[in-house]
Amino acid sequence: QVQLVESGGGVVQPGRSLRLSCAASGFTFSSFGMHWVRQAPGKGLEWVAVLAHDGTNKYYADSVKGRFSISRDNSKNTLYLQMDSLRAEDTAVYYCAKDDEFYWAGYFDSWGQGTLVIVSS
Amino acid sequence: DIVMTQSPDSLTVSLGERATINCKSSQSVFYSSKNKNYLAWYQQKPGQPPKLLIYWASTRESGVPDRFSGSGSGTDFTLTISSLQAEDVALYYCQQYYSPPLTFGQGTRVEIK
Repeated sequence: QVQLVESGGGVVQPGRSLRLSCAASGFTFSSFGMHWVRQAPGKGLEWVAVLAHDGTNKYYADSVKGRFSISRDNSKNTLYLQMDSLRAEDTAVYYCAKDDEFYWAGYFDSWGQGTLVIVSS
Repeated sequence: DIVMTQSPDSLTVSLGERATINCKSSQSVFYSSKNKNYLAWYQQKPGQPPKLLIYWASTRESGVPDRFSGSGSGTDFTLTISSLQAEDVALYYCQQYYSPPLTFGQGTRVEIK
C-alpha cells in the first residue's frame, strides 16, 4: 500500500532554513505528481506546492513563492521541500500528498502523517 | 484565487440521520471541455491526516462507504452522509483543483447529537 513518511521538521528561528523530506513507497513514485500541504495548529488546510512526476511543471502558493522550493529525486523515491527565510506564520504540520496523475490532477489520494515545523525565536 | 466557502461551520446530527455539507466556489470549477467539476472532499479526524472521500465532485474514492456521496456542479456542491455513524465524527473539507493555487474550504465539523 502507499506509504508517505515525512521527516525534517523541528524548531527553527525566524529567517533560517529547513529542508523537509518525504520518503515514498508502495507505488511507482516517478509516475505521479506530488504536493506539499500544510496545516497551522488548530487551523484549516493550505496547499503549498506541487511538482509533476518528472520534476518539471511546478506551482507554489503565493505565501511561499520565492522562499520555498519543491524538488524530487525519483531514483530515491523522495520528495523535498526546501524552506528558506522562514517566518512565524510558516509554523504548521507539513504533509506530503500524492496526486493521482503524472503531471497533476490536483487532488490528493494519499497523505503522509505530517512533520511539525515550528518557527520561533 | 478561487475562494471556497463551506456551510455550516459545524453540524450536529443524530446517529442514523442525514448530514449535509455545502461548499460554494467564488467561480465555476467546471471544465467544459472535459465535462468535469474539479472539486474534492476530504475527511480529517483528530490527530490524523486528511483522507480523500470524493473527487471530480461525485466520484467516491475506493474503500469509502457508500453512505458518502457528492453532488453539484459549477459553483455549488454538496457532501451528503446518508446515515451518520459514530466513526463519521470529523472535520470535512472541500477543495478546488480547477486552477492553482489549489484552495480549500474552511472546514465543517460534524458531531453526534
